[in-house]
Amino acid sequence: DAGVIQSPRHEVTEMGQEVTLRCKPISGHDYLFWYRQTMMRGLELLIYFNNNVPIDDSGMPEDRFSAKMPNASFSTLKIQPSEPRDSAVYFCASSFDRYGGYTFGSGTRLTVV
Amino acid sequence: SQQGEEDPQALSIQEGENATMNCSYKTSINNLQWYRQNSGRGLVHLILIRSNEREKHSGRLRVTLDTSKKSSSLLITASRAADTASYFCATDATTSGTYKYIFGTGTRLKVLA
Repeated sequence: DAGVIQSPRHEVTEMGQEVTLRCKPISGHDYLFWYRQTMMRGLELLIYFNNNVPIDDSGMPEDRFSAKMPNASFSTLKIQPSEPRDSAVYFCASSFDRYGGYTFGSGTRLTVV
Repeated sequence: SQQGEEDPQALSIQEGENATMNCSYKTSINNLQWYRQNSGRGLVHLILIRSNEREKHSGRLRVTLDTSKKSSSLLITASRAADTASYFCATDATTSGTYKYIFGTGTRLKVLA
């Protein structure tokens, strides 16, 4: 398996633009997580899915953020409109169950100017 | 809010020495995990320890857990330059009926050749 695949690796966009981050989890993993990492706030859980259903989105900062998982092999995190404070590294992770180790993707480094 | 706090924030040692990192947490847990993050990369799962376990080993890694003190330690023996990375603990939390891991602030380890 190629692991958790995220795209793009880097994204630079202007304030106000829509940004879509993509994630392909490991096949057979029923849990998918979106995290955001910044120097100030560390690693924050934004939302997680179980069997494509959103379970906990309490970490989503505000209505500008939305996440979907239309099928077991694909998830998106969308920011619309983007703001400079959204600049961070966004990680997707997946796991076989909710108790075990997570497999992280390489992340998307988002810069909003 | 952060559940786990690592100590020290940064650690610099010579190759061949042992490195010890500590994690303290606030509320009762079922499981605690340790992850490594190389610069610019995603997190890699190292080891999981359950609340009824006191010690686990994996290669040069030794993890201990003291639930009475709400703390865990990660020991890397005979360190190598390749161990240079940030190390995070993650503790589970159940809030509003959902189960998730919350990551600590991390320890930046530098192993000098």
